[in-house]
Amino acid sequence: QSVLTQSPSASGTPGQRVTISCSGSSSNIGTYTVNWYQQLPGTAPKLLIYTNDQRPSGVPDRFSGSKSGTSASLAISGLQSEDEADYYCAAWDASLNVVVFGGGTKLTVL
Amino acid sequence: QVQLVQSGAEVKKPGASVKVSCKASGYTFISYDIIWVRQATGQGLEWMGWMNPNSDTTAYAQAFQDRVTMTRDTSKNTAYMELTSLTSEDTAVYYCARVVVRGYCNAGSCYTGWFDPWGQGTLVTVSS
Repeated sequence: QSVLTQSPSASGTPGQRVTISCSGSSSNIGTYTVNWYQQLPGTAPKLLIYTNDQRPSGVPDRFSGSKSGTSASLAISGLQSEDEADYYCAAWDASLNVVVFGGGTKLTVL
Repeated sequence: QVQLVQSGAEVKKPGASVKVSCKASGYTFISYDIIWVRQATGQGLEWMGWMNPNSDTTAYAQAFQDRVTMTRDTSKNTAYMELTSLTSEDTAVYYCARVVVRGYCNAGSCYTGWFDPWGQGTLVTVSS
């Protein structure tokens, strides 16, 4: 069972906006910033969002992140078929002294 | 371009050890920390630990403290992760990743370090 809680699945049709949530506690998301990783099928994770809402170069502005209290969200607008992937949130946990990940959300583009 | 290339798949028997390598290119190896993360089939990501290639300092997750060793060879720009006393529960894909920015706290705000790029992964299968 993951320390950060994500819904196992999400879906949307092309062009839609979808939101993926990540819930934690005061020892992780409540204190530390959140990063998001995208894992396309059969590949390694890739950095998607860092420090809650910052996009690395090359990541389309269709992807956006936010954080409030002990929860964080990843929003994907203008959904495309190539966005079909697993998405993981991550944060440092001050009680466990490790980076903790969410269980991942599998996004399906219908 | 910045790249991490890992060693190939391994099959080990229970009780054995495995050593996975992670060769860095496209940047100064000793300037960035390396982390190791594993992913069991169909499961999420699990942080195993961290290494500073310059100082050879390491920090391991409690779950692996007694069984994991992270090392490096700066002459080969390569990091290594060795896991001992393998069981079937260690069957997973093991990833290395470069730590772009280490986690820190400053002026009342705390930041989680972020990882980019990741190696392609190494499948370790533990089976009798």
